[in-house]
Amino acid sequence: DIQMTQSPSSLSASVGDRVTISCRASQSIGIYLHWYQQIPGKAPKLLIDTASSLQSGVPSRFSGSGSGTEFTLTISSLQPEDFATYYCQQSYITPPTFGQGTRLGIK
Amino acid sequence: EVQLVQSGAEVKKPGESLRISCKTSGYSFPIYWINWVRQMPGKGLEWLGRIDPSDSYTNYSPSFQGHVTISSDKSISTAYLQWNSLKASDTAMYYCARRHASGTDAFDVWGQGTMVTVSS
Repeated sequence: DIQMTQSPSSLSASVGDRVTISCRASQSIGIYLHWYQQIPGKAPKLLIDTASSLQSGVPSRFSGSGSGTEFTLTISSLQPEDFATYYCQQSYITPPTFGQGTRLGIK
Repeated sequence: EVQLVQSGAEVKKPGESLRISCKTSGYSFPIYWINWVRQMPGKGLEWLGRIDPSDSYTNYSPSFQGHVTISSDKSISTAYLQWNSLKASDTAMYYCARRHASGTDAFDVWGQGTMVTVSS
């Protein structure tokens, strides 16, 4: 299985901050990397697929980049509703695997 | 509106069987694979497997192969996740999720989740 490693595992930030979350794959996955947001008690929500394609309805402050083994999710200006856990997921090889999650908390 | 609506929370004893459901609406059910994802309490996301509703072809994670069964019923646009013999370690939230329309195996629409508790 492909291992996905996110960093950091948790971070604290303030409203208006710029935040970057990293995701590393144990082997090259091209751009088959997707990002999800999970608010406590809710199902995950797809934010970005294929590394940088923003889903319809997702605010433009979210962006994704990367290819191969290194990827990033950036939130340009944190809003109160962005405090959540974020997961990356690869779909290059079956089984699809997720990173361990990054918990974004309020400073 | 595309929706995946899952069956309600379950409390079972070890060794019991269980089938949970994921009823879909708002799109053509046979066209999009349905995946099942587990989230143990306080933990991350794990993929169990998927089904192609057009022909009921299934794929399982090696970690779950043989312990769960995924099925579907095209006539009612519903997918299922089944256990024949539950263990305490099956206690978790289970989500169904649709394969992204682009075919990239991202999961673009999710059910609300079904909490399964296995306890003696």
